[in-house]
Amino acid sequence: EVQLVESGGGLVQPGRSLTLSCAASGFTFRHFVMHWFRQAPTKGLEWVASISPSGGDAYYRDSVKGRFTISRDDAKTTLYLQMDSLRSEDTATYYCAKHSDYFDYWGQGVMVAVSS
Amino acid sequence: EVVLTQSPTTMAASPGEKITITCRASSSVSYMYWYQQKSGASPKPWIYETSKLASGVPDRFSGSGSGTSYSFTIRSMETEDAATYYCHQWSSFPWTFGGGTKLELK
Repeated sequence: EVQLVESGGGLVQPGRSLTLSCAASGFTFRHFVMHWFRQAPTKGLEWVASISPSGGDAYYRDSVKGRFTISRDDAKTTLYLQMDSLRSEDTATYYCAKHSDYFDYWGQGVMVAVSS
Repeated sequence: EVVLTQSPTTMAASPGEKITITCRASSSVSYMYWYQQKSGASPKPWIYETSKLASGVPDRFSGSGSGTSYSFTIRSMETEDAATYYCHQWSSFPWTFGGGTKLELK
């Protein structure tokens, strides 16, 4: 059974950092593109970042470029999102997702609140 | 950025009623994808490559369209279909979602 379990969220002050983790199991993690999405309270879905199977290629939405870093540890089958210089507009539930022909499995989400 | 505009944003349907949601793209996309999200839960894949049903999705659901105009249909509304549905494109970066259509049971 495929499982994606996010962790690392919480309340953080503006300008501070936070690192999210997504522990994957039930599939050959190293073979798949992985993604982070987010959803602000009562809002729609937003793609945040993606990383290739090798980890050699990473893509970001403009609003997080230079502040967020997506990475993966294939030995630990874990996806990460390091978030620096956090802003109030980064407040959201963050989801990791696996990619096949579509985003076929999503984690349960982890909440990040940026507030002073 | 490809902007996806869904309509309606909210709607209510009775059991057995036919439902159609539209998604218009600001520029042409190759395929449209649809996700279902229920309150407090993570999104689930529903329709991929415009018209293919994701695993486990009942065949009362269908999708169609091309270019900049796509639609999502429920042939006969059932109680369990009440949810928010999002269209999505990954033809071009940044990948974008529509604003969602909240479908409620009447």
